[in-house]
Amino acid sequence: DGGITQSPKYLFRKEGQNVTLSCEQNLNHDAMYWYRQDPGQGLRLIYYSQIVNDFQKGDIAEGYSVSREKKESFPLTVTSAQKNPTAFYLCASSRGGQLSSYEQYFGPGTRLTVT
Amino acid sequence: ILNVEQSPQSLHVQEGDSTNFTCSFPSSNFYALHWYRWETAKSPEALFVMTLNGDEKKKGRISATLNTKEGYSYLYIKGSQPEDSATYLCAPGSNYQLIWGAGTKLIIKP
Repeated sequence: DGGITQSPKYLFRKEGQNVTLSCEQNLNHDAMYWYRQDPGQGLRLIYYSQIVNDFQKGDIAEGYSVSREKKESFPLTVTSAQKNPTAFYLCASSRGGQLSSYEQYFGPGTRLTVT
Repeated sequence: ILNVEQSPQSLHVQEGDSTNFTCSFPSSNFYALHWYRWETAKSPEALFVMTLNGDEKKKGRISATLNTKEGYSYLYIKGSQPEDSATYLCAPGSNYQLIWGAGTKLIIKP
């Protein structure tokens, strides 16, 4: 079955540690996205990538980094510079081109807790 | 597009009743509007992508309309069923980014 996988589902880290969240898709989509959700707010875009080896900052990229070495994979690293990293993180993908034209397919999310 | 408002924030509806809710957004720099359904413990799932003023889309008992000139979209659910319980997200966008509303949480009472 085609889809997006994210791992792990729950992640706990100590403050000051970097942590990498995995996102893999087998939908052959060119575009991939990372969002963050906080209670009572809409999804906020962290980074997006329209093609392999290229990615762009979203609205809240500070303290995060990404890579896009393969079409299928778009890992997100939450660095120690991110001031408030505890949140629910969603990865999504879509066909390429005009990014708003195509529906996005979402993974199940990773809940990160940093103490 | 900077500010997306969805109303109401939450809604309790009796099973079998019809309901609707609203997504409001500034109409400048508009390219497309997405609606998603997000059930508890599942991933958000696309319902509709609309681009043209006056667009109407339908999927089973769920339909949506779009008014880009005044900056709003309505989502309608006819004859609500328990499986319609979910948070409904709208996301208007420019040509490269979607801006997401906080959602309307719909609870269907049996």
